[in-house]
Amino acid sequence: DAKTTQPPSMDCAEGRAANLPCNHSTISGNEYVYWYRQIHSQGPQYIIHGLKNNETNEMASLIITEDRKSSTLILPHATLRDTAVYYCIVSRSGTYKYIFGTGTRLKVLA
Amino acid sequence: DAMVIQNPRYQVTQFGKPVTLSCSQTLNHNVMYWYQQKSSQAPKLLFHYYDKDFNNEADTPDNFQSRRPNTSFCFLDIRSPGLGDAAMYLCATSSQDGNTEAFFGQGTRLTVV
Repeated sequence: DAKTTQPPSMDCAEGRAANLPCNHSTISGNEYVYWYRQIHSQGPQYIIHGLKNNETNEMASLIITEDRKSSTLILPHATLRDTAVYYCIVSRSGTYKYIFGTGTRLKVLA
Repeated sequence: DAMVIQNPRYQVTQFGKPVTLSCSQTLNHNVMYWYQQKSSQAPKLLFHYYDKDFNNEADTPDNFQSRRPNTSFCFLDIRSPGLGDAAMYLCATSSQDGNTEAFFGQGTRLTVV
């Protein structure tokens, strides 16, 4: 499975967009990009995933570069409740393995 | 409604005394996972089941075992807990469709005294 690299921490002003980058330069063609977040002392929460195309749901948008070597999770209007550790995971379809990297600790500032 | 339920949320056990953590799911998912998460670290996959097929990660210590008696339940057994096994233990499930997310429980925080 491809490894992921994320910045260890980021700050974002409340109400602004939070853009969280992830590098997955060794990703292969059948590997999906997943994003999860974990609020302190809770289980990880699924946010979004994609293969090639950009994806959007009620929580966030996922932008995957054309070469698929990196992606960006966008929280369009960050709130204080979005303060969490955000994990980017690459998982090959059918392997049933979600291997967490070190994640980005996002702090949303009032 | 909770879909992946872990009991208890907090567990204290004595050094060397076997302990079992429980997980149940209402999603009827084929795949169930156990992760260990130590303080300030990312979750680490210990093993997973595809139906009754057990898949152990290469670096999971022998001290950790698991049972899955049916689709809904999965147990994590720690045969002889050491101080280094104190952690949050997370259970997760996913469907057999490879393009799907995993659903996590709220975890059991294990303290070893």
